[in-house]
Amino acid sequence: DTGVSQDPRHKITKRGQNVTFRCDPISEHNRLYWYRQTLGQGPEFLTYFQNEAQLEKSRLLSDRFSAERPKGSFSTLEIQRTEQGDSAMYLCASSSGTSGGSSYEQYFGPGTRLTVT
Amino acid sequence: GDSVTQMEGPVTLSEEAFLTINCTYTATGYPSLFWYVQYPGEGLQLLLKATKADDKGSNKGFEATYRKETTSFHLEKGSVQVSDSAVYFCALEDSGAGSYQLTFGKGTKLSVIP
Repeated sequence: DTGVSQDPRHKITKRGQNVTFRCDPISEHNRLYWYRQTLGQGPEFLTYFQNEAQLEKSRLLSDRFSAERPKGSFSTLEIQRTEQGDSAMYLCASSSGTSGGSSYEQYFGPGTRLTVT
Repeated sequence: GDSVTQMEGPVTLSEEAFLTINCTYTATGYPSLFWYVQYPGEGLQLLLKATKADDKGSNKGFEATYRKETTSFHLEKGSVQVSDSAVYFCALEDSGAGSYQLTFGKGTKLSVIP
């Protein structure tokens, strides 16, 4: 297995445009997480899926953000009407684990760097 | 809510020096604690972890002990190498409170000079 992959690695867009990022987790992992990291800060949690169910959403995830994991495998994160404040690195992570179970190591992808001009 | 506070950087050390990066946390439950490392141009990697009080996590010469009484998880290494230059993040997961998200500190950039 090659680990968590994300596409694209870099995205430059103009303010007001919509963007979509994709994450492919490690194949046997049923948990998938999205984080956002801005320069000089640690990653901040956005949302989390257990299989196809979105179980947690941060208050950071405004109405312009939506995430899906339709078949419990890959996930997409869409940002509508982008703003300059959305410029950040968007990180995806995956882990194994069952609902209500204990914590498992999260494996991170390389991230998608978004620049909104 | 949960939070992690770690030592401000950047930190610059000479090769073979002793390293300590302080990390303290606030959590509602009994969290698991982690150190992640981000090498230049690479993604976050788990360095070590501890899941309960007094546990010691260790990897690649790095160690950290889960201290519940001081709510701390300081990272140490006895002799750093140039290849240890990276950004180090302390993090917690409060799964006992029903959340599997990681809460990270701001990161500490370490530069090791020959």
